Amino acid sequence: GAVVSQHPSWVICKSGTSVKIECRSLDFQATTMFWYRQFPKQSLMLMATSNEGSKATYEQGVEKDKFLINHASLTLSTLTVTSAHPEDSSFYICSATTSGNTGELFFGEGSRLTVL
Amino acid sequence: SQQGEEDPQALSIQEGENATMNCSYKTSINNLQWYRQNSGRGLVHLILIRSNEREKHSGRLRVTLDTSKKSSSLLITASRAADTASYFCATVGNSGYALNFGKGTSLLVTP
Repeated sequence: GAVVSQHPSWVICKSGTSVKIECRSLDFQATTMFWYRQFPKQSLMLMATSNEGSKATYEQGVEKDKFLINHASLTLSTLTVTSAHPEDSSFYICSATTSGNTGELFFGEGSRLTVL
Repeated sequence: SQQGEEDPQALSIQEGENATMNCSYKTSINNLQWYRQNSGRGLVHLILIRSNEREKHSGRLRVTLDTSKKSSSLLITASRAADTASYFCATVGNSGYALNFGKGTSLLVTP
């Protein structure tokens, strides 16, 4: 299947700093990318949907100024956690699709963020 | 928003046995998908079943869908220790654009 790569796979940062996570589709063009957040032993919660070249659509309760999403190309989307705090510590997973969201999604391996 | 609810939350079986996980959802769907996640890793897509389908097979996996009951089941036959993982169902609505994940079933297969 298609490959989605996330980087970094884990990151530790100090409170108040910003962290950028990259999501790349390696062998296909991703018209749409999704960002999810997962707490330990919990399910995935959709944070936002991004389409290449347009603004991301955020789910209710997700602060768009806190979680900046940029989908600058058909193979790259970035999530920036601004002014991170310990409660932002989580596992962030991106996924990508080429054919809208009625087909298969390809998931990255996830990025574990720990904010001290 | 969360929609799928898996049952049971945790399942422990021995190798060779079959594992059945159920998923219920609340609203109309376009399709339902099952994913697997090993601890601390990303998700792996297992199977997609559309709302007009009732059953699908893929290797040792069998998925059923009952839209009248708004439920689906995932059967893993002849389980292996390597099947140990969390399994999630996820739904795509007719108007929605996103996958809504359930809380998952944690499967432990012991040798």
